[in-house]
Amino acid sequence: ETGVTQSPTHLIKTRGQQVTLRCSSQSGHNTVSWYQQALGQGPQFIFQYYREEENGRGNFPPRFSGLQFPNYSSELNVNALELDDSALYLCASSLGGRGDTQYFGPGTRLTVL
Amino acid sequence: DQQVKQNSPSLSVQEGRISILNCDYTNSMFDYFLWYKKYPAEGPTFLISISSIKDKNEDGRFTVFLNKSAKHLSLHIVPSQPGDSAVYFCAASGNFGNEKLTFGTGTRLTIIP
Repeated sequence: ETGVTQSPTHLIKTRGQQVTLRCSSQSGHNTVSWYQQALGQGPQFIFQYYREEENGRGNFPPRFSGLQFPNYSSELNVNALELDDSALYLCASSLGGRGDTQYFGPGTRLTVL
Repeated sequence: DQQVKQNSPSLSVQEGRISILNCDYTNSMFDYFLWYKKYPAEGPTFLISISSIKDKNEDGRFTVFLNKSAKHLSLHIVPSQPGDSAVYFCAASGNFGNEKLTFGTGTRLTIIP
């Protein structure tokens, strides 16, 4: 069974640029959630996708957008990057039901200069 | 507004003794709670969870206690081992785990050999 994978591992961008982060969910999981973890903080919920539809969104501006594909992999897109977007971006997959556990990938470290 | 709080940023425990990590929450709608462990450069790893219909859940060396009236949960690790040194995050969810996770800021546990 393959776990959650994310790419790339690290990324350096400059302010104003756009970035796409990718996530492959664990086999059999149809729900993907994205989180942002700033230094010294806990992960903050960005949004969740269930069967290719957005299924909940946290307090993040519209320049944070996402997609889920038929194979349940997912992308997180961030436009007009700001310095404060520098963080670890985590993807978690789950079966999406009650009592189900979210399993996390290793994350993508984004640095915005 | 921090809905999940871990008030101890760090904790040091002698190997073989009990480690107790604490977490408080303010949102009465939370009914599912999880503990994750995180090593540097890795994503959070699921440890143990508890539903609000229970007050205790055990899994090997790990036990989670939930006090709903006090809105408090704790994670007990007995006996503590050097490999337990990591950052521990408490997380909460509504609808019995079918909603986004709200995380605390984490507690860094160091096990002293």
